[in-house]
Amino acid sequence: NAGVTQTPKFQVLKTGQSMTLQCAQDMNHNSMYWYRQDPGMGLRLIYYSASEGTTDKGEVPNGYNVSRLNKREFSLRLESAAPSQTSVYFCASSATGSGREQYFGPGTRLTVT
Amino acid sequence: QKEVEQNSGPLSVPEGAIASLNCTYSDRGSQSFFWYRQYSGKSPELIMFIYSNGDKEDGRFTAQLNKASQYVSLLIRDSQPSDSATYLCAVSVTNKLIFGTGTLLAVQP
Repeated sequence: NAGVTQTPKFQVLKTGQSMTLQCAQDMNHNSMYWYRQDPGMGLRLIYYSASEGTTDKGEVPNGYNVSRLNKREFSLRLESAAPSQTSVYFCASSATGSGREQYFGPGTRLTVT
Repeated sequence: QKEVEQNSGPLSVPEGAIASLNCTYSDRGSQSFFWYRQYSGKSPELIMFIYSNGDKEDGRFTAQLNKASQYVSLLIRDSQPSDSATYLCAVSVTNKLIFGTGTLLAVQP
């Protein structure tokens, strides 16, 4: 089992460019999450998908969109990247049910110049 | 007030000592509590979870929960240099987890 995988590992974008971060899990989990982590700010939830077919905003959704492609895959799209979106992005997944433990992917380090 | 608060540290302990990491939370309805370890440049790794008041032990790690005081802690016995990392406390709120900003632990050989 690979657990949670993310692509790419690193990315540099120019302001205004778009890109999609990919996430997949092979643990048959229903819920998936996207976080960003910035120094001194901790992990902040961008969007989540409690189950296939549903998505909801988290704490910092502005400038992002998500797609729950199927049970395994959850993508995060930046339509017009801004320097403020320079961060490390983590995808996570958990089994069904409120308050279940989450398992994280290796992360994508994004720099917007 | 932040929903989950941790002292950012660094917390420095000598090798072989007990490291004590603390976390307070604001939502009295929270039912599940988690500790993650994050090495520099890596992703968070789940090391403990606790749902009930009291202590839960797993190897060198003990999680302690006091819901009345809204307080959860992690004890690491016989600390090793390999335990040096940032420890994140997470608390469940509805179907999400809220994370603290983490405590940096440095174990001195």
